[in-house]
Amino acid sequence: KNEVEQSPQNLTAQEGEFITINCSYSVGISALHWLQQHPGGGIVSLFMLSSGKKKHGRLIATINIQEKHSSLHITASHPRDSAVYICAVSPGYGGSEKLVFGKGTKLTVNP
Amino acid sequence: EPEVTQTPSHQVTQMGQEVILRCVPISNHLYFYWYRQILGQKVEFLVSFYNNEISEKSEIFDDQFSVERPDGSNFTLKIRSTKLEDSAMYFCASKLEYEQYFGPGTRLTVT
Repeated sequence: KNEVEQSPQNLTAQEGEFITINCSYSVGISALHWLQQHPGGGIVSLFMLSSGKKKHGRLIATINIQEKHSSLHITASHPRDSAVYICAVSPGYGGSEKLVFGKGTKLTVNP
Repeated sequence: EPEVTQTPSHQVTQMGQEVILRCVPISNHLYFYWYRQILGQKVEFLVSFYNNEISEKSEIFDDQFSVERPDGSNFTLKIRSTKLEDSAMYFCASKLEYEQYFGPGTRLTVT
C-alpha cells in the first residue's frame, strides 16, 4: 500500500483556470512537502507544511492533520506551471526525516 | 543563491561496472540524502547521512551501494557492480534543518 496517494494522476487545464491537486497519506508525519519536477527532471521544493496554510505567489498549500490530507492550489494557471507536482511526507517517527514520495500529478496548462 | 550540484549529468556504464555519482551539497548543510527515480516511477529514498555516518537506509540500499563524504564538501554514491535495474535518475539532497534542497540529478544508464 502506498503511504502517499495523489489525485489526479494527470490534469489538463486551460490558462487562467484554478487548479487543485490532492494528497492523502496514511502515516504519522512531522511535515508534508510539495515539490515541482520539470521535464528535465530537476526537483524544486515549493512548500513545507506541518499545519494550516501557506501561500507563495499564485500557489497555496493547505494541510489537515486530523484528516491526513493536503491540497495544492494554483490560481490563474499559466502554461509555465506545466510540470509534475509531487507530494512527499517526512514520516514522524524521528528518523532521518527522509522523504516518502507520492507518484506525482502531471499538470498541463494549455494557452 | 547556494545550490546542490551533481556530476556527471549523464553516465552510461556497462553491467557489472562500478560507478561513482558525485554531489556537492550546500556548504553549511548537515544532512545529506540520495534518492532515485526509475523512469516513469516515483522518487524513492536510498540513504541518509549525518555526522559522517549513515543514519537510515532503505531496502534498496544493499551491499552493492555505499556512500562517502571524503573531504567535507563532496558526497558520493558508489554502486559496486551495476545491474540493468540500477538505471535511473539519482538525486542528491541536503538540508540544514527543515527543507531539503535537491540537486539536478544524474541519469544513470546501465547497458
